[in-house]
Amino acid sequence: SQQGEEDPQALSIQEGENATMNCSYKTSINNLQWYRQNSGRGLVHLILIRSNEREKHSGRLRVTLDTSKKSSSLLITASRAADTASYFCATRTNQGGKLIFGQGTELSVKP
Amino acid sequence: EAGVVQSPRYKIIEKKQPVAFWCNPISGHNTLYWYLQNLGQGPELLIRYENEEAVDDSQLPKDRFSAERLKGVDSTLKIQPAELGDSAVYLCASSLAGKRYNEQFFGPGTRLTVL
Repeated sequence: SQQGEEDPQALSIQEGENATMNCSYKTSINNLQWYRQNSGRGLVHLILIRSNEREKHSGRLRVTLDTSKKSSSLLITASRAADTASYFCATRTNQGGKLIFGQGTELSVKP
Repeated sequence: EAGVVQSPRYKIIEKKQPVAFWCNPISGHNTLYWYLQNLGQGPELLIRYENEEAVDDSQLPKDRFSAERLKGVDSTLKIQPAELGDSAVYLCASSLAGKRYNEQFFGPGTRLTVL
């Protein structure tokens, strides 16, 4: 069973625009991670935010976490065609090391 | 440094046949995961190993799926017999236990098609 829901399921934007993806989850977490998956490839870890953090930046990525609403967002600024991929949020609970993935957002960045 | 290696990358079999997938984790990573990813979905954990020990196999359908990790390095995942619904991508990942916020490194996956 998957913990989270991601919104939107698909997003199409022009190069240079910003892309925002949202993730909601159900249970208390230790941390939340975002992964990218290019077509036919494995997942690549992008960024991790701990439950006591509210915002984190890494290059063109900005992640926010609202534990009261059990939600997170991933913002990609100044998008590039190479950002075209599926993006997944994954939560790690305080019990054990299991990661539970959302269903993903499919991002298409048109040149 | 080599990443997580999986083979084969693609496998097509007929239903009721057996199939096996192989994974070589990143050197030094003692935690290994097998995930199932259906089309348009996120990965779902099948089994997690800490060294040779399977510490979480609650989602592994044990009537037809089996896994092993001899010597705590490479791992194989087997399905016998395969069913049509097993068509999916099987992902292997590894991480370094002891790191508190264990980032997982994924292999490219094996895409299984059951006809």
